[in-house]
Amino acid sequence: EIVLTQSPGTLSLSPGERATLSCRTSQSVSSSYLAWYQQKPGQSPRLLIYGASSRATGIPDRFSGSGSGTDFTLTINGLEPEDFAVYYCQQYGTSPRTFGQGTKVEIK
Amino acid sequence: QVQLVQSGAEVKKPGASVKVSCKASGYTFTSYDINWVRQATGQGLEWMGWMNPNSGNTGYAQKFQGRVTMTRNTSISTAYMELSSLRSEDTAVYYCARKSISGSGWYPFDYWGQGTLVTVSS
Repeated sequence: EIVLTQSPGTLSLSPGERATLSCRTSQSVSSSYLAWYQQKPGQSPRLLIYGASSRATGIPDRFSGSGSGTDFTLTINGLEPEDFAVYYCQQYGTSPRTFGQGTKVEIK
Repeated sequence: QVQLVQSGAEVKKPGASVKVSCKASGYTFTSYDINWVRQATGQGLEWMGWMNPNSGNTGYAQKFQGRVTMTRNTSISTAYMELSSLRSEDTAVYYCARKSISGSGWYPFDYWGQGTLVTVSS
């Protein structure tokens, strides 16, 4: 099983700042089968990024993903009030599909 | 528009089984795999398995092998997840989620149900 480790656990930032979230995998993720999801309290997860760097339909361009192999990053440029949430990375290239433990982006 | 609508909250006793439904609309149900993911309160996401609604083929995470069964009724575009031998640690919100691309291959999940809270308590 591929283990995903996200850091930091919590990120305290102000609106307008840049958020940089890290996701490291215990084994190389084949063909960058790495996704990022956003989850707000009481809501279902929402797909943001797939293939490590492709934005899902309707996702604003302030969200960007990068990385390959075992190191991946989600960057949010210019945090909007609605971006404060928990973010999960997921590898979907091998079974079981596994998620990181999440990074909470909170308002400072 | 694509929608996945799940059944309502359940309260079960330890040792019992629960069956959660996920009704799909707005797309061809048999064309996209359905996955099940659970989330304990305040915790992260845990993938349980997948089902191909066309063939009925399934794949389960090893952790749930022997306890989970995923089925479907294509006539009503509904997927089901049944979990047996429930214990308190199974208390969680259970989500169904659609694989984003039809057919074979590895893809993320683009549409999610609203979640079903299953509480296991004596």
